[in-house]
Amino acid sequence: EAEVAQSPRYKITEKSQAVAFWCDPISGHATLYWYRQILGQGPELLVQFQDESVVDDSQLPKDRFSAERLKGVDSTLKIQPAELGDSAMYLCASSPAGTSGRYEQFFGPGTRLTVL
Amino acid sequence: DQQVKQNSPSLSVQEGRISILNCDYTNSMFDYFLWYKKYPAEGPTFLISISSIKDKNEDGRFTVFLNKSAKHLSLHIVPSQPGDSAVYFCAVFPRGTGKLIFGQGTTLQVKP
Repeated sequence: EAEVAQSPRYKITEKSQAVAFWCDPISGHATLYWYRQILGQGPELLVQFQDESVVDDSQLPKDRFSAERLKGVDSTLKIQPAELGDSAMYLCASSPAGTSGRYEQFFGPGTRLTVL
Repeated sequence: DQQVKQNSPSLSVQEGRISILNCDYTNSMFDYFLWYKKYPAEGPTFLISISSIKDKNEDGRFTVFLNKSAKHLSLHIVPSQPGDSAVYFCAVFPRGTGKLIFGQGTTLQVKP
């Protein structure tokens, strides 16, 4: 069964360092999402891609976060510099639908980030 | 401004009984509602969904009810099994978008 792949699964870093997360969506899925889940809360959308284009990054802290999906397939989310408040689970999801589609999203296992 | 609220952080039920998880929303512009289940150290997995034009959708042991006048969504699990123990998130699709807005989650524990 096709799955969304993410790496690394766990990342520990010190504040002010740079970190990067990688996501490979299900093959053929045009839409890719990055979510952040803080403990005790639901996932919150950071950025949404349709193919290689950013559709929604209104909740992405652009002073320190960046995301790219250069060839419209896999994606990288970067944080530089990391802050203590960035400690969270970072989830990647993909969907076969376009930006107005209502298909369910398929999530990867996430990257657990701890900033010390 | 929380558009989707799950007011019960946790729920404990006995195996074989019914589990009822609740979700309230504030915006009538949501036209599709979903439930996700999440085990520790895994990503959320899709469970069941319902369109705003319906008031009930059933899939095996899982039934979702939608009360539009009350802006309330519920998930019934009958009978509950220990393997159902997980965090359950309700989520909504705002009209015209492909993004999901999640509630805070409810941790369900099903005791053998």
